[in-house]
Amino acid sequence: AQSVTQLGSHVSVSEGALVLLRCNYSSSVPPYLFWYVQYPNQGLQLLLKYTSAATLVKGINGFEAEFKKSETSFHLTKPSAHMSDAAEYFCAVTAPGAAGNKLTFGGGTRVLVKP
Amino acid sequence: DAGVTQSPTHLIKTRGQHVTLRCSPISGHKSVSWYQQVLGQGPQFIFQYYEKEERGRGNFPDRFSARQFPNYSSELNVNALLLGDSALYLCASSFGTAGTEQYFGPGTRLTVT
Repeated sequence: AQSVTQLGSHVSVSEGALVLLRCNYSSSVPPYLFWYVQYPNQGLQLLLKYTSAATLVKGINGFEAEFKKSETSFHLTKPSAHMSDAAEYFCAVTAPGAAGNKLTFGGGTRVLVKP
Repeated sequence: DAGVTQSPTHLIKTRGQHVTLRCSPISGHKSVSWYQQVLGQGPQFIFQYYEKEERGRGNFPDRFSARQFPNYSSELNVNALLLGDSALYLCASSFGTAGTEQYFGPGTRLTVT
């Protein structure tokens, strides 16, 4: 079974400051990991994914995440926040070969960007 | 290319009624998954269908059922609606199974009164 913990349900950053969203996972097998973003009243958009290749993964909109097996973490970062980054972010895990391609999501982190 | 589409966008039902939600996957995708997102929480996996067969089921009661059609579109059915079924229902499509990226539709907002 897999699980995901996102530390901090709300994060407030100033425009231009570093964005850091924390995600820790639990998986009995090497996982695939994803970050999704959800804007108000919309579905989820895939930001990036880790599937056992490079541990530093670059995604869309300037985001990147680093897979650290020893820390069971997959934190999301962006060097400089933009007002358009205000949204809710979800970390998700699945196991390669898992029946049903089930994604297990964390509880989400809502990002507020202050001008 | 069109993304994942879902209908209806919103609907309001009364306790005890039945509801059918519809999803059309991205062209070429053969897998559809359904998720329930209660306000303030992350999505919870309900079902996955691939090539018209159920490939996975989450921890939901038998009131929830789904099917996939030959054109890979899908329906999610919920019987005997409860207030707790109020949520955003998300459909996601993927090319295959087991770890491939899932692309989400805009969701159907269901309110049960």
